[in-house]
Amino acid sequence: NAGVTQTPKFQVLKTGQSMTLQCAQDMNHEYMSWYRQDPGMGLRLIHYSVGAGITDQGEVPNGYNVSRSTTEDFPLRLLSAAPSQTSVYFCASSYGGSTNYEQYFGPGTRLTVT
Amino acid sequence: GENVEQHPSTLSVQEGDSAVIKCTYSDSASNYFPWYKQELGKRPQLIIDIRSNVGEKKDQRIAVTLNKTAKHFSLHITETQPEDSAVYFCAASMVTNAGKSTFGDGTTLTVKP
Repeated sequence: NAGVTQTPKFQVLKTGQSMTLQCAQDMNHEYMSWYRQDPGMGLRLIHYSVGAGITDQGEVPNGYNVSRSTTEDFPLRLLSAAPSQTSVYFCASSYGGSTNYEQYFGPGTRLTVT
Repeated sequence: GENVEQHPSTLSVQEGDSAVIKCTYSDSASNYFPWYKQELGKRPQLIIDIRSNVGEKKDQRIAVTLNKTAKHFSLHITETQPEDSAVYFCAASMVTNAGKSTFGDGTTLTVKP
């Protein structure tokens, strides 16, 4: 199993550009989430999904869109990049069962917006 | 929504000493409390977790305690080693949706040899 994969690993954008961060998991997990991590802070939830076709907003959703058309993939779209979106982005997945709640994180995407 | 506070923000101990990190949460509906370790430049990884129907859980040198009444939980690391140096995060969620987690701001633990 590859686990949770994210692409790209690094990205530099100019203000106003749009892009999609990719996230995929091969563990057949129902739950997937996007977090951002700013220096000296914990992870903050952007959007999450409890299954294909079902998404919801987290704590900091503004400026981001998501969709979940398959169980495996959960892309995060930045609509019009702003310097405030400079951060490390982590995708995570979890089984959603009744005994194992562990979130597995991807390696992260380091995004810089200039 | 849920709010998680974590203390201290930095902790320095001598090798072999114990380290304790504390978190408080606000939402009484939260019933799943994981702890993650994050090494520099790496992804967070689960080290131990506890559900609200349990007061304490131990795994070798690591233990977590939970006080539901006071809404706080703590991570205890005994016999610390230099490789325990990392950032530790607590989190809170409901077991029905562990993907919707609220994290503390992290504790940077340094273990001096």
